[in-house]
Amino acid sequence: NAGVTQTPKFQVLKTGQSMTLQCAQDMNHEYMSWYRQDPGMGLRLIHYSVGAGITDQGEVPNGYNVSRSTTEDFPLRLLSAAPSQTSVYFCASSRAGTRSLNEQFFGPGTRLTVL
Amino acid sequence: GDSVTQMEGPVTLSEEAFLTINCTYTATGYPSLFWYVQYPGEGLQLLLKATKADDKGSNKGFEATYRKETTSFHLEKGSVQVSDSAVYFCALSVGGAQKLVFGQGTRLTINP
Repeated sequence: NAGVTQTPKFQVLKTGQSMTLQCAQDMNHEYMSWYRQDPGMGLRLIHYSVGAGITDQGEVPNGYNVSRSTTEDFPLRLLSAAPSQTSVYFCASSRAGTRSLNEQFFGPGTRLTVL
Repeated sequence: GDSVTQMEGPVTLSEEAFLTINCTYTATGYPSLFWYVQYPGEGLQLLLKATKADDKGSNKGFEATYRKETTSFHLEKGSVQVSDSAVYFCALSVGGAQKLVFGQGTRLTINP
């Protein structure tokens, strides 16, 4: 099991450029999510998905798009990057269901800098 | 809304010292509570969890007890090691939802 994988590890963009952060998991988890981590603010939820074809917004969705065409993949798209999107991005996955199964597994992160 | 507040960091201790990292929460429902740890250059890993009042989560010598009356979930360890140096996040989720609400994180450094 590779767990949750993210690519790329590092990325530098110019303002206005677009890109896609990739996330994949091989644990057959229904639930996947994207967080951003900023100094002094912990992790904040951007978007999440409870299964293929279903996505919803989290706390800070503006400027980001997601889709979930397969159980395994959950890409995050920045359509027009802004300096405020400089952050470390984490993808996570877990089983859906009862509270006792709420453990989420995190990928290693993508460090994005927007100039 | 739901929120988590952790003690301010950074925290610096000597090896074998006693550790407490405070965490309090507010929640609209009955939350599950978690501590996650992030080692340098890595993603977050679940350290321990508790799903109902008075539950004690424990792992790797760390413990935390779900205190509903004080809405707290403080992390403790009796004797820290250099390898415990990391950032620790308290988090909650409500109503079976998988959406986690995180505290701001506490950076812990243990000196030999």
